[in-house]
Amino acid sequence: DIQMTQSPPSLSASVGDRVTISCQASQDIRKYLNWYQQKPGQAPKVLIYGASTLESGVPSRFSGSGSGTDFTLTISSLQPEDIGTYYCQQYDDLPLTFGPGTTVDIK
Amino acid sequence: EAQLVQSGAEVKKPGATVKISCKVSGYLFTDFFIHWVRQAPGKGLEWMGLLDPEDGETIYAASFQGRVSIAADTSTSTAYMELGSLRFEDTAIYYCARISRRRLRLGSFDFWGQGTLLAVSA
Repeated sequence: DIQMTQSPPSLSASVGDRVTISCQASQDIRKYLNWYQQKPGQAPKVLIYGASTLESGVPSRFSGSGSGTDFTLTISSLQPEDIGTYYCQQYDDLPLTFGPGTTVDIK
Repeated sequence: EAQLVQSGAEVKKPGATVKISCKVSGYLFTDFFIHWVRQAPGKGLEWMGLLDPEDGETIYAASFQGRVSIAADTSTSTAYMELGSLRFEDTAIYYCARISRRRLRLGSFDFWGQGTLLAVSA
């Protein structure tokens, strides 16, 4: 199975800050990487698919980059509504696997 | 717009079997693969398996092999996930989710059910 790791496990930042979350795959997954945001009591919501394509309706302050084994989710200017947990997920191969998540809150 | 509506919360005893439904609307059921993902309390997301509603093909995660069964009822546009030999550690929220691209097995999940809480308790 492809193992996904994320860093940091949690972060606290101020409104307007640039936030970066890293995701690493245990083997080459090309660009088959999605990012999800999950708020308490809600299902996850896709933000980025194919490593760097913004899902329709998602604010442009979210962006994704990377390929192979190393990926990054960036929030260019953190907003209060961005608090939640962010997960990366690979779909290069079955079983689909998710990172352990990064919890973001406002300082 | 697509909508996935799951059945309500369940409480089961260890060793029992649970069956959760996921009724879709707003699109042709057979056009999009359905996956099941679970989330234990305070934990991350765990993939369980997938279903092709067009022909009923299923693929399961090895960790659930032998205990899980996923099926489709095309007459009601409903997917089902049945998990047997329940253990305390199966306590979780179970989600169905749709793959975003027509007839692709893998991809991103663009629509999710609201989740079904399963509590396994003696």
